[in-house]
Amino acid sequence: GAVVSQHPSWVICKSGTSVKIECRSLDFQATTMFWYRQFPKQSLMLMATSNEGSKATYEQGVEKDKFLINHASLTLSTLTVTSAHPEDSSFYICSAIPGTGVGNEQFFGPGTRLTVL
Amino acid sequence: AQSVTQPDIHITVSEGASLELRCNYSYGATPYLFWYVQSPGQGLQLLLKYFSGDTLVQGIKGFEAEFKRSQSSFNLRKPSVHWSDAAEYFCAVGGDTNAGKSTFGDGTTLTVKP
Repeated sequence: GAVVSQHPSWVICKSGTSVKIECRSLDFQATTMFWYRQFPKQSLMLMATSNEGSKATYEQGVEKDKFLINHASLTLSTLTVTSAHPEDSSFYICSAIPGTGVGNEQFFGPGTRLTVL
Repeated sequence: AQSVTQPDIHITVSEGASLELRCNYSYGATPYLFWYVQSPGQGLQLLLKYFSGDTLVQGIKGFEAEFKRSQSSFNLRKPSVHWSDAAEYFCAVGGDTNAGKSTFGDGTTLTVKP
């Protein structure tokens, strides 16, 4: 149990276009989801906390108009990278916390590799 | 503020040898501690976690970790490493006071020599 999926697993886009990444909890309801960014050979950097039915909470330094997050249901959160540029190229990972989870254990998706040309 | 330090950026061990990956944390309350493994281009897989109780925690794939409050450490161990254990390992700390957020260390890259 506790499976999280991401779609797409990789995407290549042109500079200036927008890209949407989906994060789904497949077998549980997630009141909270997190979005991370990971650069090569580096740790995960938390971008924002996504709560169902409310606005996302962004970490300091993360542009909320650039990275739009929508937590439309208890099983789906989306991250839209607007007007993407090459510096947005990265590995994006989401995680989800079950509504009844103990100790804030997060379940991670497999990640989405974004390459902006 | 919470933080995690993984002092070893890169560790190389021979297959069959024992392994210990170090993790030190800073957290103002009772910590929840996690170890994750990440293979190249993949998401994170939970190896084990500590919330409370027995300070020696058993995880998947033969890993274990010991919580030492006095040393603020949560080191990961495995008695005999397999070539398939080569990956990136992350230690993380969280707790009840931070709305589910975890803070991750910078990771340790494990290379296994044949």
